[in-house]
Amino acid sequence: QSALTQPASVSGSPGQSITISCTGTSSDVGNYNLVSWYQQHPDKVPKLMIYEVSQRPSGVSNRFSGSKSGNTASLTISGLQAEDEADYYCCSYGGSTTWVFGGGTKLTVL
Amino acid sequence: QVQLQQSGPGLVKPSQTLSLTCAISGDSVASNSAAWNWIRQSPSRGLEWLGRTYYRSKWYYDYAVSVKSRITINPETSKNQFSLQLNSVTPEDTAVYYCARLYCTGGTCGGGFDYWGQGMLVTVSS
Repeated sequence: QSALTQPASVSGSPGQSITISCTGTSSDVGNYNLVSWYQQHPDKVPKLMIYEVSQRPSGVSNRFSGSKSGNTASLTISGLQAEDEADYYCCSYGGSTTWVFGGGTKLTVL
Repeated sequence: QVQLQQSGPGLVKPSQTLSLTCAISGDSVASNSAAWNWIRQSPSRGLEWLGRTYYRSKWYYDYAVSVKSRITINPETSKNQFSLQLNSVTPEDTAVYYCARLYCTGGTCGGGFDYWGQGMLVTVSS
C-alpha cells in the first residue's frame, strides 16, 4: 500500500484561501468516500479536521472544507489565519481493511 | 469526553518486543461504534497505520501488510484498554506511537480517527 501523495508545502497570506491536494488511486481515494484530514502543530497530536471527504466534526471551524474528484481529495482553508500554520495529513480507507496516510503538507502563513 | 492514555517503555533493544498499552476512558473497548487503532509517525515513514481491533459480537483484528508478521493488538476488556506488541524490532521501528479511536456508524468506520493518545516516542537501540 503506497502512501497518498500530497505537496510538501503550500503557503498563503492571512485572509486568503489555500487548497491542499491528496492523490491516491482507484483502490483507495477513488473507490471510497472515506477520506479524512488531520492538522498537526509541532510536537502536538494530530487533530481530525474533516471525515468522510467533506464532513466537519463538531468544533472545527467552517473555514475548513473537503472535497473529492476521482482519485484526488482536497482540503480547502478559507480566510487563512496565523493559527492555521501546521502540517496537514490526508488519510483514506485503502480497501482490504487497511488505512493509508498521505506524506503530509506543511502550511506556511506568510 | 473520550480520553486515551498510553503507557510503556520508551527504549527497546533490537530484536526484542515493543509493548505499549492504551487505556480508554469515556468509551468502551468493546463498543459497537468504534475501532481501536495503533498508528506511528517517523520522519522517514510519516504517519503509518499499523492495525486495529474492534468488537462486533466477536473480536476482529486487522493489520497493515508492512508489519503483519510481527504485530499483535489485544483488547483487555477487564481494564478497558488495548495493547500493541511488535516483535523483532529494528531501528527502523523507532517512531512516535499513537493509539487512536476510529468512529464507526451504520456498519462503516468512516468517522475518522477522532481521539488520539498523547503519543509515545519509542526508540529502538542497543
